[in-house]
Amino acid sequence: DTAVSQTPKYLVTQMGNDKSIKCEQNLGHDTMYWYKQDSKKFLKIMFSYNNKELIINETVPNRFSPKSPDKAHLNLHINSLELGDSAVYFCASSRAYEQYFGPGTRLTVT
Amino acid sequence: EDQVTQSPEALRLQEGESSSLNCSYTVSGLRGLFWYRQDPGKGPEFLFTLYSAGEEKEKERLKATLTKKESFLHITAPKPEDSATYLCAVQAPDNFNKFYFGSGTKLNVKP
Repeated sequence: DTAVSQTPKYLVTQMGNDKSIKCEQNLGHDTMYWYKQDSKKFLKIMFSYNNKELIINETVPNRFSPKSPDKAHLNLHINSLELGDSAVYFCASSRAYEQYFGPGTRLTVT
Repeated sequence: EDQVTQSPEALRLQEGESSSLNCSYTVSGLRGLFWYRQDPGKGPEFLFTLYSAGEEKEKERLKATLTKKESFLHITAPKPEDSATYLCAVQAPDNFNKFYFGSGTKLNVKP
């Protein structure tokens, strides 16, 4: 059984488009995250939700908007995509601060 | 400013050749330090949490230790399947749900 799943795994799109990434966890965790991993492999936190409430909102362009319809789901919508948005985006959930990551979504903006 | 620095960036070992990976951090008032393993094309996989200087955790061939300024991941008699990137992360002192990650050490174990 997949604990944290993300769709799609790959996303290739053109500049200016709007796209969404979906995340679901079946671990029963209350806290979920979005991370961006750049080409240098640094994982940077973008957002975190606890029981559908936004608790972390890092310095991220307003074009990025997370949504948590329930505590098992956390989606990421990106408007007006730019070249610099190309990266791997990871969703994670946590229990006692131990994070469980999804497989990642590789976003390529051309 | 860098909160977490990992060294070396890359490490090549022969099977059975033990070594250590380093994670140094600059956050004051460390709450927790975490080690993860990341295989190519996959998400990080949780390994250990350390909270106090002097604490040690072990799992198979891996042992993580913590001092006041750094953590080490010791790999004893590694096997090729231990090849992966090992990531270190620390909790932000002002928000326990926020984590600073290092850029990782890419370990390659040759048979």
